[in-house]
Amino acid sequence: AQSVTQPDIHITVSEGASLELRCNYSYGATPYLFWYVQSPGQGLQLLLKYFSGDTLVQGIKGFEAEFKRSQSSFNLRKPSVHWSDAAEYFCAVASYNQGGKLIFGQGTELSVKP
Amino acid sequence: DGGITQSPKYLFRKEGQNVTLSCEQNLNHDAMYWYRQDPGQGLRLIYYSQIVNDFQKGDIAEGYSVSREKKESFPLTVTSAQKNPTAFYLCASSIGVGTEAFFGQGTRLTVV
Repeated sequence: AQSVTQPDIHITVSEGASLELRCNYSYGATPYLFWYVQSPGQGLQLLLKYFSGDTLVQGIKGFEAEFKRSQSSFNLRKPSVHWSDAAEYFCAVASYNQGGKLIFGQGTELSVKP
Repeated sequence: DGGITQSPKYLFRKEGQNVTLSCEQNLNHDAMYWYRQDPGQGLRLIYYSQIVNDFQKGDIAEGYSVSREKKESFPLTVTSAQKNPTAFYLCASSIGVGTEAFFGQGTRLTVV
């Protein structure tokens, strides 16, 4: 079955430090992968997506993610975190059934220390 | 501006009542989705529609109903049969299968 795992429920980093959020997926074919960010009480905003091609994808707000097929991973990175990056981050894979629904991980809550 | 509009943002319902959540999009997307979000459980699919006048159950459809009479609109009704309806509900749309979804701002439903 298709699934997405985000091993870290909560991460705290200092402002200016680098960030890496982990995401592992289970999928039978070439996956379509996404990272979304959610501020409290808000909807989800797309940060970046991977469909094919270059395995390092750039997104908005200075985020990037690397697709590693051998590790079934799609980790999100940012070189220098800003206080405004504090939010919840969701990794997702597009299903090949159920209308292409997105299968989400449990989310990782990011806190930023001053 | 193109986007997805959900209303209301907050909704309170008495037990035993049905309530309808609105979702409208002007992105000209064919596919629309309803997700439910609970703390620590990520997002779970309730219903989806790939085209007007057609919709399908998702993973947790019991106690919910939808309609898709117009391309732009995909309202969700939470019925009295839903045992635990208090949650954050998110509507989304996409161009088609396998593409990114765009989300509304959500409706927080509380049963009192």
